[in-house]
Amino acid sequence: EAGVTQFPSHSVIEKGQTVTLRCDPISGHDNLYWYRRVMGKEIKFLLHFVKESKQDESGMPNNRFLAERTGGTYSTLKVQPAELEDSGVYFCASSQHPVARGAYGYTFGSGTRLTVV
Amino acid sequence: QKEVEQNSGPLSVPEGAIASLNCTYSDRVSQSFFWYRQYSGKSPELIMSIYSNGDKEDGRFTAQLNKASQYVSLLIRDSQPSDSATYLCAVRGRAGNNRKLIWGLGTSLAVNP
Repeated sequence: EAGVTQFPSHSVIEKGQTVTLRCDPISGHDNLYWYRRVMGKEIKFLLHFVKESKQDESGMPNNRFLAERTGGTYSTLKVQPAELEDSGVYFCASSQHPVARGAYGYTFGSGTRLTVV
Repeated sequence: QKEVEQNSGPLSVPEGAIASLNCTYSDRVSQSFFWYRQYSGKSPELIMSIYSNGDKEDGRFTAQLNKASQYVSLLIRDSQPSDSATYLCAVRGRAGNNRKLIWGLGTSLAVNP
């Protein structure tokens, strides 16, 4: 079974530019999550998709961040325009069951390290 | 007060010893608890999950949950150098936010040969 795939693995962009991160979840996983870890801080939730629908986007920092999951397969996270504080590692995770059911955990992708200079 | 607190370490133990990692959480109605292991530059990997009070064992790993005291711990028996990593505690939030995980900063563990 292929895991959760994210790309690019690294991205260095200038402040004000646009970056799009992509996540391919495990096939058949309806639940897809985006998380971010800023250096020195905890991993923070960004949003949760169930298929193509945004179930919870309470963690999105501001309207410079736009996540989509057309067709309920892969997801993209676009940052436009990027700011210095957006630097961090962006993780995508997927699960067959929502975390709400029992104690199922996620499978994480390897992350995209975003550096805004 | 942080929602999920962990001692950042580093925790250093000799090979073969028991490593004890602790985590406390602030939201009393939290439902499920997870331990993830993260090697440097890699993604978090689920080790254990627990949602009932008491102990849950899986191989060399034992998770312990005490909801009354709001703490969860992870014991690693017969620690190996390959166990050296950062261990992240994650808590499933209260109803209404019950799909997202709230994370601690992680505890760095070093197992010395």
